[in-house]
Amino acid sequence: NAGVTQTPKFQVLKTGQSMTLQCAQDMNHEYMSWYRQDPGMGLRLIHYSVGAGITDQGEVPNGYNVSRSTTEDFPLRLLSAAPSQTSVYFCASSYRGQGGPEAFFGQGTRLTVV
Amino acid sequence: AQKITQTQPGMFVQEKEAVTLDCTYDTSDPSYGLFWYKQPSSGEMIFLIYQGSYDQQNATEGRYSLNFQKARKSANLVISASQLGDSAMYFCAMSSTNFGNEKLTFGTGTRLTIIP
Repeated sequence: NAGVTQTPKFQVLKTGQSMTLQCAQDMNHEYMSWYRQDPGMGLRLIHYSVGAGITDQGEVPNGYNVSRSTTEDFPLRLLSAAPSQTSVYFCASSYRGQGGPEAFFGQGTRLTVV
Repeated sequence: AQKITQTQPGMFVQEKEAVTLDCTYDTSDPSYGLFWYKQPSSGEMIFLIYQGSYDQQNATEGRYSLNFQKARKSANLVISASQLGDSAMYFCAMSSTNFGNEKLTFGTGTRLTIIP
């Protein structure tokens, strides 16, 4: 059982380049989210999805796109990378159980934009 | 809008002592959930404990307990009998629904260091 898998773990981009951060989960969870973590600011929600075909914006969505064509995958696309997008990105998935939510995060992707 | 406040940037605690990490929150939602996560130096986010706003009893998970005081809007994490492996960043977070974490608001975290 792999849980939540993020690829790549590290990435360096030049300003203006585009790329996709991959996120896959094998737990059949309905809910998936993307967060970014900047020093001293905690994690901030970028986009989230409550099921296949349904996505919505979080607190800091500008410069990012998402789609959810399957339950398992929730890729995050950077359209035109900027130095301000240098951060650690976390994908998360969860489901609503009778005893409360079970929440899991991926290992994170450290992105540097130069 | 939801807000989480963690006022302790760093804490040093002697091994085997209990430690309380503070978390206060602000929300206008009638139904919400409160979470604690641990982030060791390796960087992964580890889910520790959850408390629903309508739960009558404080949540417990092994050495972790959540001291939920709804009227004070506080959700402090208590770690009993601390261990060296507890050294990490700890984040308090809340969701706008009673279950699920599709939308989480995080605090800025507390760095806990356990001293042998």
